[in-house]
Amino acid sequence: SAVISQKPSRDICQRGTSLTIQCQVDSQVTMMFWYRQQPGQSLTLIATANQGSEATYESGFVIDKFPISRPNLTFSTLTVSNMSPEDSSIYLCSVQDRNTGELFFGEGSRLTVL
Amino acid sequence: GENVEQHPSTLSVQEGDSAVIKCTYSDSASNYFPWYKQELGKRPQLIIDIRSNVGEKKDQRIAVTLNKTAKHFSLHITETQPEDSAVYFCAALDYTGGFKTIFGAGTRLFVKA
Repeated sequence: SAVISQKPSRDICQRGTSLTIQCQVDSQVTMMFWYRQQPGQSLTLIATANQGSEATYESGFVIDKFPISRPNLTFSTLTVSNMSPEDSSIYLCSVQDRNTGELFFGEGSRLTVL
Repeated sequence: GENVEQHPSTLSVQEGDSAVIKCTYSDSASNYFPWYKQELGKRPQLIIDIRSNVGEKKDQRIAVTLNKTAKHFSLHITETQPEDSAVYFCAALDYTGGFKTIFGAGTRLFVKA
C-alpha cells in the first residue's frame, strides 16, 4: 500500500486566480495520476504525471489549464489555472500498485471557486 | 479508449437484503476490474477486484462476477448493513498496457435499517 498526503485539503478561491495542489507519496512511484471528481460525479482522469517527462493529458484537459510538475519520484503538483466556478471540484492524486493494479488515493483537495 | 457504464445510479435496499450493481466495458483488452467504495467525504478505496482469467471471486459478503464474452461484470453484496451505504465505482483497465483506470459513473447505495 501507499500513503498519500495532499494539500490543501480544501480552499475557497476567487475567479481568475490559480491554485496549486501538492501530492506527496511515502514511496517512489513511476506514475502519479490526477483525477477530478465534480460534485456527485465519478472520477475523471485529468493526466498522468511521469517523472522526468511531460505529463500525459486526457481528452478535454490541457496543460495551460492544468499544469503539472513531477520533480521527483515521490512528489507532484497540479495547478488549476485561471479558475472559474466550473472548476469547483475535488481533485485527487493517486498512485498504482505495479503488482496488483490497485489505485491508492490521497484524501482529496476540495476547491470552491466563487 | 475504454468506456465503462454502470447501473443503477441509485440503489436503495432494506438491511439484510442483497444489492447488485452491474457494469459493462468496451475495450476487450481490459483485464483488471476493480471495485472502489467511497464513503461520504472520504477517498475511494478498493473493496474487491477480479482479473480476466477468473469468472467469480468472493470475499465474505461481497462477490464479483465477470463475463468476458459479454463484457459485463457485477458486484454482489449480501446481507447488507447500514455501513454498506456509500458510493460504489466499478472500473476497468488494461493492466498490462496503459495502466489507465477508467471509472464507471458510480452507484449510490442506501441501506435502510
